[in-house]
Amino acid sequence: EIVLTQSPGTLSLSPGERATLSCRASQSVSSNYLAWSQQKPGQAPRLLIYGASSRATGIPDRFSGSGSGTDFTLTISRLEPEDFTMYYCQLYDGSQWTFGQGTKVEIK
Amino acid sequence: QVQLVQSGAEVKKPGASVKVSCRASGYTFTNFYLHWVRQAPGQGLEWMGIMNPTGGTPTYGQKLHGRVTMTSDTSTSTVYMELSSLRSEDTAVYYCARDCGGAGSCSHAFDHWGQGTLVTVSS
Repeated sequence: EIVLTQSPGTLSLSPGERATLSCRASQSVSSNYLAWSQQKPGQAPRLLIYGASSRATGIPDRFSGSGSGTDFTLTISRLEPEDFTMYYCQLYDGSQWTFGQGTKVEIK
Repeated sequence: QVQLVQSGAEVKKPGASVKVSCRASGYTFTNFYLHWVRQAPGQGLEWMGIMNPTGGTPTYGQKLHGRVTMTSDTSTSTVYMELSSLRSEDTAVYYCARDCGGAGSCSHAFDHWGQGTLVTVSS
């Protein structure tokens, strides 16, 4: 079973700053099936990025994804107030789906 | 627009079973697989399994294999998730989510989610 480890657990930043969130896989994976989701308190997750770098429909261009192999990154270029929440990476390995444990982006 | 509407909150005793429904609308139900994901209070997301709404054998996550059953009813565009032998650690919000498909779509990510169903297991 592939394990996804997200870091940091909590990221403290100010509005307007750049956020860099990491997702590391326990073994090399296909970037085609790496996704990122955002979850606000009391809400279902929302898809941000699929295929490691493609933005989902309606997602602002301040969100971008990159990476390959075992290391993937979600970047938020300029944090807006509504961006301070939880983020999860997600992987499909051909038979199962796995989530990382999440990164919380909080206001500094 | 695509909507996944789930059944309401449930309170169950340990050892009982719970069945949660997820009714789809706004798209062709049989064209997209559906997942179930759960989230314990204050915790992360846990994938439970996936099913083809037209039938066939679902694929279940290893942790819940043997206690979870996923079914569908194409006549009502509804999928169901039944979890048996409930324990306190099964207390969670349960979500259904649509798989957007493989190559040419969004690569098996989850593009639409239900609103969630809180299942509380307590004696």
